[in-house]
Amino acid sequence: NAGVMQNPRHLVRRRGQEARLRCSPMKGHSHVYWYRQLPEEGLKFMVYLQKENIIDESGMPKERFSAEFPKEGPSILRIQQVVRGDSAAYFCASSPPGQGAAGELFFGEGSRLTVL
Amino acid sequence: SQQGEEDPQALSIQEGENATMNCSYKTSINNLQWYRQNSGRGLVHLILIRSNEREKHSGRLRVTLDTSKKSSSLLITASRAADTASYFCATDAGRGNTPLVFGKGTRLSVIA
Repeated sequence: NAGVMQNPRHLVRRRGQEARLRCSPMKGHSHVYWYRQLPEEGLKFMVYLQKENIIDESGMPKERFSAEFPKEGPSILRIQQVVRGDSAAYFCASSPPGQGAAGELFFGEGSRLTVL
Repeated sequence: SQQGEEDPQALSIQEGENATMNCSYKTSINNLQWYRQNSGRGLVHLILIRSNEREKHSGRLRVTLDTSKKSSSLLITASRAADTASYFCATDAGRGNTPLVFGKGTRLSVIA
């Protein structure tokens, strides 16, 4: 399977717990993007990373949210001390090297976080 | 803030009819893209049109771009029930290596 892989597809957490969402980009892709989608809304940009480097995190909330894309392994979006307002679908996308952030993005199927 | 805004928010048509969705944006762009999202799924890229292009075709899809009006339209001809989905435009804000900004989308329902 050469597509963008996200897991888990569904995650339920209680308020105050931590959520970790993982994303493996398409083979050969070097850039990863995280977007958040609320019900009946469009996607809101959160963060743009390449291996071991955050390129743009202008859409990330200042507290509780962090992202990484280590040299080995998937990109991880981490949400600490979750609150009900964090309930959303989180989408990861990837792009090949040299294309830049404004080219075609390849999306995963999303991780749907529900905070009880 | 939202860069692109789609219009209408929702559209319901009969199978075989054409569907037209519009997107307006605020700042200059290098390119504009359209994506499709089936319910509960990820987004799929449909077409990219560059700022120096006025029209582009891909199968039953036709996209136009009017940079003077900062608007784009997506036309789906001879629609099918399988075209039922949400359609989003995305723009790059025209500066440097900035990530795509998506609109809120148009929800298209094609009734068989």
